[in-house]
Amino acid sequence: DAEITQSPRHKITETGRQVTLACHQTWNHNNMFWYRQDLGHGLRLIHYSYGVQDTNKGEVSDGYSVSRSNTEDLPLTLESAASSQTSVYFCASSSGTAVAEAFFGQGTRLTVV
Amino acid sequence: GDSVTQMEGPVTLSEEAFLTINCTYTATGYPSLFWYVQYPGEGLQLLLKATKADDKGSNKGFEATYRKETTSFHLEKGSVQVSDSAVYFCALSGGSSNTGKLIFGQGTTLQVKP
Repeated sequence: DAEITQSPRHKITETGRQVTLACHQTWNHNNMFWYRQDLGHGLRLIHYSYGVQDTNKGEVSDGYSVSRSNTEDLPLTLESAASSQTSVYFCASSSGTAVAEAFFGQGTRLTVV
Repeated sequence: GDSVTQMEGPVTLSEEAFLTINCTYTATGYPSLFWYVQYPGEGLQLLLKATKADDKGSNKGFEATYRKETTSFHLEKGSVQVSDSAVYFCALSGGSSNTGKLIFGQGTTLQVKP
């Protein structure tokens, strides 16, 4: 069965370190998204991609970057981790139309100490 | 820009009670509307959707009707169960841009007590 997987599931890192969160999907979806989930804010879009070599900033992109070198993967990099980036991160993918369902990974809980 | 507003939670109900979670949206164009559910420790999964005005989405006893005149997509269930305890997210896509980018509301936590 097709799926979307995130790794690691839990990560503790120190302030100032670079961290990369992995997202891999086997749906062959064009669209991939990264969200962060924080209490009181719901899910906020960090970065998204509509296809290989395409990346776009979301509403909370500062301090984060992504690259899309193939259809399956959209890694999220925190350039220099800050305590404000402690959160739960979700990756999602969809086929690319406005009516399409998005499929979500299980999430990565990141703690920056 | 496009946005979604949900009622504040948490919502606490007794088993078999009627559930309503309010959701309103702001969008240009003709968005599709979704309800996603997140069970504890899991990612989000689609509960139901509606893609045009007056459409009713339904699944697992939950329903929501796309009301363009009131820009609303309220979630309802006639009789909730303990297993419905979760966080519910209203979302839209395809408003100002005809793509699959999802805009979420804040989420509403539902707790159902036996």
